[in-house]
Amino acid sequence: DIQMTQSPSSVSASVGDRVTITCRASQGISSWLAWYQQKPGKAPKLLIYAASSLQSGVPSRFSGSGSGTDFTLTISSLQPEDFATYYCQQANSFLALTFGGGTKVEIK
Amino acid sequence: QVQLVESGGGVVQPGGSLRLSCAASGFTFSSYGMHWVRQAPGKGLEWVAFIRYDGSNKYYADSVKGRFTISRDNSKNTLYLQMNSLRAEDTAVYYCAKDPGTVGYMDVWGKGTTVTVSS
Repeated sequence: DIQMTQSPSSVSASVGDRVTITCRASQGISSWLAWYQQKPGKAPKLLIYAASSLQSGVPSRFSGSGSGTDFTLTISSLQPEDFATYYCQQANSFLALTFGGGTKVEIK
Repeated sequence: QVQLVESGGGVVQPGGSLRLSCAASGFTFSSYGMHWVRQAPGKGLEWVAFIRYDGSNKYYADSVKGRFTISRDNSKNTLYLQMNSLRAEDTAVYYCAKDPGTVGYMDVWGKGTTVTVSS
């Protein structure tokens, strides 16, 4: 199975900060990567798919980049509603879809 | 609006069985692949299973292969997850999620149903 490693596992930031989360795949996955946001007690929400495509309705302060094994999610100016846990997910093979361990974005 | 509503969760003893359902509305259910994803208490997300729009192909995580069965009834707009030989480590919130095509992403999620495996 393809392993997805996110870093950092948590980050403390202030409103207005630029936040970058990285995700590394154990083998190349081309651009078959998605990012999700999850708030406590809620279902995840799709933010980015195909590594860099913004899901409809998601604010433009969210962006994704990368291909192959290394990917990033960037929040250009952190807003109060962005404090949540973020997960990457590879979709290279339906034989085993896998998520990263998550990155919790906390208030500084 | 597009909506997924899970049901069927509960408390079950180790070795027992449970069937989860996911009722879909607001979109043409028969045109989309569907996933089950779970989240153990305080843990991250784990993909469980996927079924193509017509039920022709099914894929499972190794952790549930041979014990869980995903199925769908397109006439009832409903997705199912039959869970047998349940273990304590299957305790989780189970989400159903819609795939935007057959691409492996999840663009619409239900609110989840809780399964607790305990004696």
